[in-house]
Amino acid sequence: AAGVIQSPRHLIKEKRETATLKCYPIPRHDTVYWYQQGPGQDPQFLISFYEKMQSDKGSIPDRFSAQQFSDYHSELNMSSLELGDSALYFCASSLVLYGYTFGSGTRLTVV
Amino acid sequence: GENVEQHPSTLSVQEGDSAVIKCTYSDSASNYFPWYKQELGKRPQLIIDIRSNVGEKKDQRIAVTLNKTAKHFSLHITETQPEDSAVYFCAAPSPGGGNKLTFGTGTQLKVEL
Repeated sequence: AAGVIQSPRHLIKEKRETATLKCYPIPRHDTVYWYQQGPGQDPQFLISFYEKMQSDKGSIPDRFSAQQFSDYHSELNMSSLELGDSALYFCASSLVLYGYTFGSGTRLTVV
Repeated sequence: GENVEQHPSTLSVQEGDSAVIKCTYSDSASNYFPWYKQELGKRPQLIIDIRSNVGEKKDQRIAVTLNKTAKHFSLHITETQPEDSAVYFCAAPSPGGGNKLTFGTGTQLKVEL
């Protein structure tokens, strides 16, 4: 069965650089979510999209933005990166709330 | 918003014993409670979920119970095996729409030989 695809798997950036993370949800899932998970922490909700429209916003810094495209893939854009942005970034998708499935994550390291 | 509390933060059991992890939630309107297992550096994977119209659900060695009155739900793992060692997260829907989940703080389960 198709899963949630995220790219890249690993990313190393310098402070003040920009990063773009991509997510391809499970086909026919109508909602995409982005989470940030620091070492030893639970996933923290950043933002979600329902049918390509932003549906909810969590603790996402103003330096970050995201969008969902016509093919339902989503991108998380992170600018002016800081050391504290180093984390695992997960994308998840669901049909309404059910079948909530996470991608493999992107490990971002800011140096 | 939803407040999900999870206990214990760490749990060590002997192989073959049972493990129980408990979560409480604050929003009485919540109606869906999933449990995720996360191995180091990997994605959280859904292992079992329960909806508010039932009090218990079982899948082989894993079961979840829900007490809506007390607003708590628990994960039960029987006959634990070393491969059950992982971090387990409970979650509940966050109020206000958007279908996002609020996660508990996780339980590090270690199954010892």
